[in-house]
Amino acid sequence: GEDVEQSLFLSVREGDSSVINCTYTDSSSTYLYWYKQEPGAGLQLLTYIFSNMDMKQDQRLTVLLNKKDKHLSLRIADTQTGDSAIYFCAESNDYKLSFGAGTTVTVRA
Amino acid sequence: NAGVTQTPKFQVLKTGQSMTLQCAQDMNHNSMYWYRQDPGMGLRLIYYSASEGTTDKGEVPNGYNVSRLNKREFSLRLESAAPSQTSVYFCASSDRGHGSEQYFGPGTRLTVT
Repeated sequence: GEDVEQSLFLSVREGDSSVINCTYTDSSSTYLYWYKQEPGAGLQLLTYIFSNMDMKQDQRLTVLLNKKDKHLSLRIADTQTGDSAIYFCAESNDYKLSFGAGTTVTVRA
Repeated sequence: NAGVTQTPKFQVLKTGQSMTLQCAQDMNHNSMYWYRQDPGMGLRLIYYSASEGTTDKGEVPNGYNVSRLNKREFSLRLESAAPSQTSVYFCASSDRGHGSEQYFGPGTRLTVT
């Protein structure tokens, strides 16, 4: 949706870190999410962050939240070929999620 | 646990035909959702059902109707399909609605000619 913006493409070398950025508009969002979509499949939740946090780490994933700038990022350490997918940022608004257009991450050898 | 299931996986319709996309979840979730996914536009919410017995319009409801048949099932109907409805349709469910993870089905790829 237009309330959540992401860059459309990211190419990264295997073993490097990937950083996917997202901006959102709804300052009342309580949770912000990162979903992953592999080819031909539905979306799968990767991680989420509560709006009163500024960082969350989960194994190779680090989420940073700058609430003042309404900026969210997802860092994937040691990117592998299995990380090639579309990554969606989403903000929650009551019962609904608003998704960004998705960032296609391509991992090259 | 099958999670969220959708049928059919693929469908081709002619303009003006009607069809119903089926969705079921076995996680005893209260809330269910229908999205469409178009290239470069992410997912857009068509309709949602916060709880059994209620349905509400999302961002792009025109041309669609929904039925929350029971707690498990939430169907999406296209009464008179149009080429603009060519898309991939995803059903999702969540436990508490606000702030809780949404679980997605595998999608239905619909082409309207």
